[in-house]
Amino acid sequence: AQSVAQPEDQVNVAEGNPLTVKCTYSVSGNPYLFWYVQYPNRGLQFLLKYITGDNLVKGSYGFEAEFNKSQTSFHPKKPSALVSDSALYFCAVRDILGTGANNLFFGTGTRLTVIP
Amino acid sequence: KAGVTQTPRYLIKTRGQQVTLSCSPISGHRSVSWYQQTPGQGLQFLFEYFSETQRNKGNFPGRFSGRQFSNSRSEMNVSTLELGDSALYLCASSFSPSEEGEQFFGPGTRLTVL
Repeated sequence: AQSVAQPEDQVNVAEGNPLTVKCTYSVSGNPYLFWYVQYPNRGLQFLLKYITGDNLVKGSYGFEAEFNKSQTSFHPKKPSALVSDSALYFCAVRDILGTGANNLFFGTGTRLTVIP
Repeated sequence: KAGVTQTPRYLIKTRGQQVTLSCSPISGHRSVSWYQQTPGQGLQFLFEYFSETQRNKGNFPGRFSGRQFSNSRSEMNVSTLELGDSALYLCASSFSPSEEGEQFFGPGTRLTVL
């Protein structure tokens, strides 16, 4: 079965400091990993994904993430946090059932607060 | 290009009633998925449609149903509403049900059951 874990419910970081949001995964087969960000009163916005190829992935809003197979991790990072990065971040894994199923299993979310 | 639209944005119903939520995908997208978001259960997959066919269904009771029309617009219906059905219902679209493509989410419909 596919699953992801977000170990931190809440992350606080000072504006201008580097930020990291953590996600580990458990999959059978190749992982198809996604990150989404949810701003207040808005739907989920796509942040970045790992499908195959280069382990370093560049995403939206200045984020990048490194896929680490040995640690089963996929943590998005940003070198300098902005107050506008404050949001709810979700890690997700695509459910590969061999039928091309399109549904995502989401983590529990990490609330990021950037303090001015 | 317009994003995914969902109507209505907010809805208040009472227990026992039924409700229909609508989703219009991004133009050209033919795959539509629905998710339920609650504080307790997080984001959970409801069902996925492609070319008017339900391809996959999550672990929800039969009171939850959906359909997709020939123009790719989708509706989901919840009958005999329960208090626990109060949630944000998110619709997501993609060009096709590819494992590699990202889904694009709408703003959601917030359903409150009293």
